[in-house]
Amino acid sequence: AQSVAQPEDQVNVAEGNPLTVKCTYSVSGNPYLFWYVQYPNRGLQFLLKYITGDNLVKGSYGFEAEFNKSQTSFHLKKPSALVSDSALYFCAVREVYNQGGKLIFGQGTELSVKP
Amino acid sequence: DTAVSQTPKYLVTQMGNDKSIKCEQNLGHDTMYWYKQDSKKFLKIMFSYNNKELIINETVPNRFSPKSPDKAHLNLHINSLELGDSAVYFCASSPTSRGNIQYFGAGTRLSVL
Repeated sequence: AQSVAQPEDQVNVAEGNPLTVKCTYSVSGNPYLFWYVQYPNRGLQFLLKYITGDNLVKGSYGFEAEFNKSQTSFHLKKPSALVSDSALYFCAVREVYNQGGKLIFGQGTELSVKP
Repeated sequence: DTAVSQTPKYLVTQMGNDKSIKCEQNLGHDTMYWYKQDSKKFLKIMFSYNNKELIINETVPNRFSPKSPDKAHLNLHINSLELGDSAVYFCASSPTSRGNIQYFGAGTRLSVL
């Protein structure tokens, strides 16, 4: 069965410092991996995805993520955090051969960036 | 123009009532979804429709019935509401059932008293 784990409920970072939000996954086949962000009282917004190819994926707002097959991880990173990055971040996985488009989400990580 | 729009944004109702949430997407996508986000922010898929046809039906009580009159609309009807149904319900769409990016609505916050 597919699953996603985000081991940290909350990540606190000072503005200007690099940030990492962790994600590990488990699927029986090859994964499609995603990061979404949710601002308060809003729906989820797509940040980036890994389908195939280069393990380092670049996305919106300066975020990037690195796919590591051996560690089954897909950590989200940003070199320099902004206060406006404060939000709830979700990692999600889908099996490549999943016909229904079903996404399995992690439990979310609250990112707090302080000035 | 909002790509995926849900109405209402807030819904407060009594236990035992029946209510509906509507969703419309203007992206021309074939596939639409309903997700439930509980009080701990955990997101779980409930249903998925592709071209008006049900393709994902997770373990959801029969009181929840999705309806897709056309591929741009996916409504969610809930009968005999219970306290545990209180949550935020999100509609989403993707280009196809294999479409990789899902686009989410702003959510409907349902409170059952």
